Amino acid sequence: EPEVTQTPSHQVTQMGQEVILRCVPISNHLYFYWYRQILGQKVEFLVSFYNNEISEKSEIFDDQFSVERPDGSNFTLKIRSTKLEDSAMYFCAGSQESNQPQHFGDGTRLSIL
Amino acid sequence: GESVGLHLPTLSVQEGDNSIINCAYSNSASDYFIWYKQESGKGPQFIIDIRSNMDKRQGQRVTVLLNKTVKHLSLQIAATQPGDSAVYFCAENIGSGTYKYIFGTGTRLKVLA
Repeated sequence: EPEVTQTPSHQVTQMGQEVILRCVPISNHLYFYWYRQILGQKVEFLVSFYNNEISEKSEIFDDQFSVERPDGSNFTLKIRSTKLEDSAMYFCAGSQESNQPQHFGDGTRLSIL
Repeated sequence: GESVGLHLPTLSVQEGDNSIINCAYSNSASDYFIWYKQESGKGPQFIIDIRSNMDKRQGQRVTVLLNKTVKHLSLQIAATQPGDSAVYFCAENIGSGTYKYIFGTGTRLKVLA
């Protein structure tokens, strides 16, 4: 069964540094998403992406964050000038259509020191 | 990859018994609902979904019930197995052009041998 692949599985970064989290969605998916889960809290929506542009973003997704699909296969989340509170699990997801179930990767654990 | 669950409700079930996991969703405008299973170190795995024009949907060993009157969703797992041990999340989508899922807190299911 096709899978969403995320790398790295764990990223440790100094506060203030930039990080790029990478995702390879399932090949026939057209809609892409990033969510995060802070330790002990709910999974929270960050952003959705379709047709090479952001279709929706949450209030969490401020100017510090950006997404890109640079080569038609990878889908990346960039966090500039990371803060301690950015420490969380970050999940990439995709779906074939907007009204079809979203399928998630296994996440990247981001630890900001 | 799991919610740490310091405050997660836990359901303990004897192997072979049926499990019922409940979820109160937040938005009366939500029209699509999904159940996810999250095992330790993994991302949310799609189990089953239901749209608001239905009140029941069955899959393999799982049934989802929707009660829109009281904004309640339940997941029934028949003949619970050790491999069913995980955290279960419900998620809702309000449609109307928004793609984001709103996740519940989660319930930890422990299957006792």
